[in-house]
Amino acid sequence: GQNIDQPTEMTATEGAIVQINCTYQTSGFNGLFWYQQHAGEAPTFLSYNVLDGLEEKGRFSSFLSRSKGYSYLLLKELQMKDSASYLCAALDSNYQLIWGAGTKLIIKP
Amino acid sequence: DAGITQSPRYKITETGRQVTLMCHQTWSHSYMFWYRQDLGHGLRLIYYSAAADITDKGEVPDGYVVSRSKTENFPLTLESATRSQTSVYFCASSVAENTEAFFGQGTRLTVV
Repeated sequence: GQNIDQPTEMTATEGAIVQINCTYQTSGFNGLFWYQQHAGEAPTFLSYNVLDGLEEKGRFSSFLSRSKGYSYLLLKELQMKDSASYLCAALDSNYQLIWGAGTKLIIKP
Repeated sequence: DAGITQSPRYKITETGRQVTLMCHQTWSHSYMFWYRQDLGHGLRLIYYSAAADITDKGEVPDGYVVSRSKTENFPLTLESATRSQTSVYFCASSVAENTEAFFGQGTRLTVV
């Protein structure tokens, strides 16, 4: 079956760095997305990786290893507004998105 | 207004009633999607559409009907609502299957 695993909840301190991991098992693979979702709001796009390696976008970076079925989202210089759920989603061979349940990130002052 | 909008934002309905959730996008994106989001689950795809008059089932289509007569609209109908369909429903659109999706603000549906 197809599956996405990511931690349910993580806690980090304002100003610190946090890494949110995601492992995936899909029938074929056409890329991996990360979305941010604040409580009560819609998901918003953060990143898309299809090749191995690290992509950096300001304070956020996303890494992909296709051979290991693994990705992570790295958030630097954490701010209180980064408190949200982070959703990992893999695109399978039929171009259907398989979503993880999300990681709730709690930022403490 | 530009973007993707859903209506209503909140809806309470009774078991057995038919209810339609509306979704409208102004970008002329080819792809549109309907998801439901429940606690403890990831987003689950109900139906999607690659273009006007083309729709396909997703992971959890039972009890739902969609149509797409115009590119900009993608309504979702619950034919006979059940309590298990209580959820938050998100509509989304994208240019292609492997590009970022833009989500509507969601409809919180309660079936009593």
